[in-house]
Amino acid sequence: DTEVTQTPKHLVMGMTNKKSLKCEQHMGHRAMYWYKQKAKKPPELMFVYSYEKLSINESVPSRFSPECPNSSLLNLHLHALQPEDSALYLCASSQGWGPGSYNEQFFGPGTRLTVL
Amino acid sequence: AQTVTQSQPEMSVQEAETVTLSCTYDTSENNYYLFWYKQPPSRQMILVIRQEAYKQQNATENRFSVNFQKAAKSFSLKISDSQLGDTAMYFCAFLKTGANSKLTFGKGITLSVRP
Repeated sequence: DTEVTQTPKHLVMGMTNKKSLKCEQHMGHRAMYWYKQKAKKPPELMFVYSYEKLSINESVPSRFSPECPNSSLLNLHLHALQPEDSALYLCASSQGWGPGSYNEQFFGPGTRLTVL
Repeated sequence: AQTVTQSQPEMSVQEAETVTLSCTYDTSENNYYLFWYKQPPSRQMILVIRQEAYKQQNATENRFSVNFQKAAKSFSLKISDSQLGDTAMYFCAFLKTGANSKLTFGKGITLSVRP
């Protein structure tokens, strides 16, 4: 299985809602990533998890809260978002993140988020 | 810090023709990987081709090949026999080897294949 899956595919939420995005991989990868992508732009890194621990937080606002319950699963909890947070949210995974690891990333199909 | 430059925002090619997408990068690293990712309008980011910097031979994957010029820090993608399904946004990306390495993307280029 060489696939990264993401649910839901589309999400519309109000600014007062709480929602979660889910990402799953069964490739035995130990690093997982969240990216935000605006239309016609490259992905922007948000968070990196390595061995289920948060390794990188790219100064992301606290209304985005990541969680890695196990090595196969990555969540992104959303609360009190702003309309400018509307974007495609991509999840990715790689074999590792530490020394000597091969960090080529495999991407999921993304969740299209619209904040009203 | 690494930078990746894709200077052409858009390109168009006739079906069955060949097109080359350009990418340059800047780094002081000696060991790294370079990638071309494709993102069709359906949005899935798909790896098209990878190149290890230590390999002199240019990578090829079916209709896709690269021209890797390490000294010039150039990494162009050639698509032969273009197909309508090649219509997509293409991102060039850099990844240094070793710990805690982040992907550095270029701005991307929108390729349209005309029937």
